[in-house]
This record gives sequence, structure tokens and C-alpha cells, in this order.
Amino acid sequence: GAVVSQHPSRVICKSGTSVKIECRSLDFQATTMFWYRQFPKQSLMLMATSNEGSKATYEQGVEKDKFLINHASLTLSTLTVTSAHPEDSSFYICSARGQGQPNNNQPQHFGDGTRLSIL
Amino acid sequence: DAKTTQPPSMDCAEGRAANLPCNHSTISGNEYVYWYRQIHSQGPQYIIHGLKNNETNEMASLIITEDRKSSTLILPHATLRDTAVYYCIVRVDDAGNMLTFGGGTRLMVKP
Repeated sequence: GAVVSQHPSRVICKSGTSVKIECRSLDFQATTMFWYRQFPKQSLMLMATSNEGSKATYEQGVEKDKFLINHASLTLSTLTVTSAHPEDSSFYICSARGQGQPNNNQPQHFGDGTRLSIL
Repeated sequence: DAKTTQPPSMDCAEGRAANLPCNHSTISGNEYVYWYRQIHSQGPQYIIHGLKNNETNEMASLIITEDRKSSTLILPHATLRDTAVYYCIVRVDDAGNMLTFGGGTRLMVKP
């Protein structure tokens, strides 16, 4: 089945550091990628949607200047958490949808997430 | 998107069938029902989806009522590794829009 690879799986860094997370679709071309955030004991919350070659669309309350998203190719999207602070500590998960099939018959596939801890 | 309602938790004995219900009474005719699960500290895993017919794959079966207002995910022989949070999501997939996750059902498979 379709595989989405996310890297790194875990990051621990100091407050003020910028952290980049990569999301790759390994066996399909992803026209659309999604970034989610999940706090402990809560469900996934969508942060932004990115389409290859265009600017990301951010959900209400998500700071676009803090969470920079780049979807430069059909197999790679990156999320950069700029000047991270302890409250940014969370589980970040990417998801990708392939191209080719009608959108309403195409499941999303998820990466295994990145656990970000800001000290 | 149509809202879904799932029980917050369920238990199931190992080897028995796990039947996870989902209510989606406001579902529209062009909305699909998707099921995902999330094992602790991992990303969600796609299980199955359907529109109105029952569906079966190597992981599970999806039973959708005739009026499409509810569905049931069936894991025919639950194992300990099926312990996870199961999410039922209803969505019209227009222009590649994402899936919205609710609270899900925490399934605990017990020996």
C-alpha cells in the first residue's frame, strides 16, 4: 500500500530553535499534503493543507509565519517550526493524498509522526 | 462535513469479533464513510471506506445501513495488536480536502 515517510520521528531541542520536519510520499505522487498536530489524549487537529507548487492554506488560529510549509515537489513537503517554544511541543503528523484517482475515492495516508519536545 | 458519534471506549476479548459503531445521521448522498485507527504514538492507519455498499478487505469489514445514517466496523478476529483508537470520518472529498478527526473509540482488546 501507499507509504508516507516522516522524518525525524523525535526531536528534542532548546527553546528558540527552528525545527524542520520532512514528509515524503514513497510510492506515489502526492498532489496534496496535510499537516496535523496532536496534543496528549486529544484527537488530531488539522494545521494546514499544502498543494504542490502553491502556498499552503492554514486553519484558523495557526500562525503561518511560525509554521512554515513548503511543498516543492510531488513527493516532499516540509514543516518548519520557527523559534519553537515549550508550548509548541506536540506530536506532528503529515498526511498525503495521491493523484490520478477521483478525489472522492482516494484515502489519505499518514506518516508515523514526529514527537517534538521543546525544553 | 457530517458529524459522527462514536462511543468513547469499548472492550473486546482476544479472538472475538470487535464491532465498532458509528452514527452519522446527517450524512449527505455524496459523502463517504472512512475508518482509520491510531495505535499509540503512531500516525493514523487507513482501514477501509465506503459509500453505500458494504465493503471488506484484509483488515476489516464495513457495514453501512441502508439509510446510511450509521455504520459498523467489524474486526473479525481481534488481536492484542488491534488495541487502538478507531476513528469514523465522513467527508465529501472535493478538491482533495482533508479529513476531520473526532474523538474516536478507544478499543481495548483483552486476553
